[in-house]
Amino acid sequence: AQSVTQLGSHVSVSEGALVLLRCNYSSSVPPYLFWYVQYPNQGLQLLLKYTSAATLVKGINGFEAEFKKSETSFHLTKPSAHMSDAAEYFCAVRVTGANNLFFGTGTRLTVIP
Amino acid sequence: DAGVTQSPTHLIKTRGQQVTLRCSPKSGHDTVSWYQQALGQGPQFIFQYYEEEERQRGNFPDRFSGHQFPNYSSELNVNALLLGDSALYLCASSYEKGIHEKLFFGSGTQLSVL
Repeated sequence: AQSVTQLGSHVSVSEGALVLLRCNYSSSVPPYLFWYVQYPNQGLQLLLKYTSAATLVKGINGFEAEFKKSETSFHLTKPSAHMSDAAEYFCAVRVTGANNLFFGTGTRLTVIP
Repeated sequence: DAGVTQSPTHLIKTRGQQVTLRCSPKSGHDTVSWYQQALGQGPQFIFQYYEEEERQRGNFPDRFSGHQFPNYSSELNVNALLLGDSALYLCASSYEKGIHEKLFFGSGTQLSVL
């Protein structure tokens, strides 16, 4: 079975501070991992994805994530938060051969001016 | 180039009624997936359509059904609505040959069941 756990339903950071959103996955086979962002009243937009190539994945808007198999983690980071980063962030997993994504429960990021 | 479009954007129904939600995939995409996002939760996979057939289904009852048309657009039907069906319903499209690439999501239909 596959699943993702996002630690922290709410995260607040000051503008300019490091953003760290945590995601741990459970999968019996090597997974594909994704981070999506959802702004209010909008659908989900892909930030980045891991598909078994480089373990450090760079995405849009300055975000990156590192796949750590030993820790079964895929945490999302950004060196310096911007006000426009305030949104809901979802980690998701898809296993080889499956056609669907399993999403975590999300982390709401608040950026304090 | 239009992305994934969903209609309507909002819908209010009462318990026991039936509802149909519509989705037009991004140009060039041939696969449509539907997800249910309850308040405060992540999206949950309902089913996926490819070549006008349901290819995979999540853990949803038979009250949830769908259809894909020859032009790749899709409908989600929910019968005998329950209060718990209130949620944001998201449609996502992709290109079969690019299965490892990203899904494109629509903005969703917000369904409220009273």
